[in-house]
Amino acid sequence: EAQVTQNPRYLITVTGKKLTVTCSQNMNHEYMSWYRQDPGLGLRQIYYSMNVEVTDKGDVPEGYKVSRKEKRNFPLILESPSPNQTSLYFCASSPRTLAGAFKQFFGPGTRLTVL
Amino acid sequence: AQTVTQSQPEMSVQEAETVTLSCTYDTSESNYYLFWYKQPPSRQMILVIRQEAYKQQNATENRFSVNFQKAAKSFSLKISDSQLGDTAMYFCAFLNYGGSQGNLIFGKGTKLSVKP
Repeated sequence: EAQVTQNPRYLITVTGKKLTVTCSQNMNHEYMSWYRQDPGLGLRQIYYSMNVEVTDKGDVPEGYKVSRKEKRNFPLILESPSPNQTSLYFCASSPRTLAGAFKQFFGPGTRLTVL
Repeated sequence: AQTVTQSQPEMSVQEAETVTLSCTYDTSESNYYLFWYKQPPSRQMILVIRQEAYKQQNATENRFSVNFQKAAKSFSLKISDSQLGDTAMYFCAFLNYGGSQGNLIFGKGTKLSVKP
């Protein structure tokens, strides 16, 4: 089954404790992206990757890191989480072919709470 | 910088009727995509429809269609024969296919309730 998986789905942590949210897709998509969703603000893009070893900042990259060492995985790293990073996080992927360009498949979301 | 505005925070419609959700955007780019995504209570994000800016013909997907007015920078979503399962948050999104390729910008969403 074609899908984007995220782990963990729910996480409660404390300020300053480094964490990683994993994202993996099995569709051989070139493009992957991370978003956060906050009430009243919609979705905001954190980072995106057009292909392996190619990443770029979205609108709200501060406090986050990403890496794209292999095509299927795009982990989101919070080196020192703070309470303002409490949010619902989505990973997404899409092909870059003309026909499929940017028709994104989303993961199920990760609910993160930073105390 | 590009912006996407959804001016209707909430809307409701009776089952089987038609509803239109509004979206406007601001950009100086000429090559871009526009999208409508649906987020039901399950929180899953689902692509509803996509429009390429260079195409004059409005995109349609079954009961969903768009009214794309490029000069006015308007991209509304029409849902015909509304069903209870259409109840969801709907997000309009813009993606530049030029310089900052890959930077996807979302509106703040419209909460649609379909009433029986």
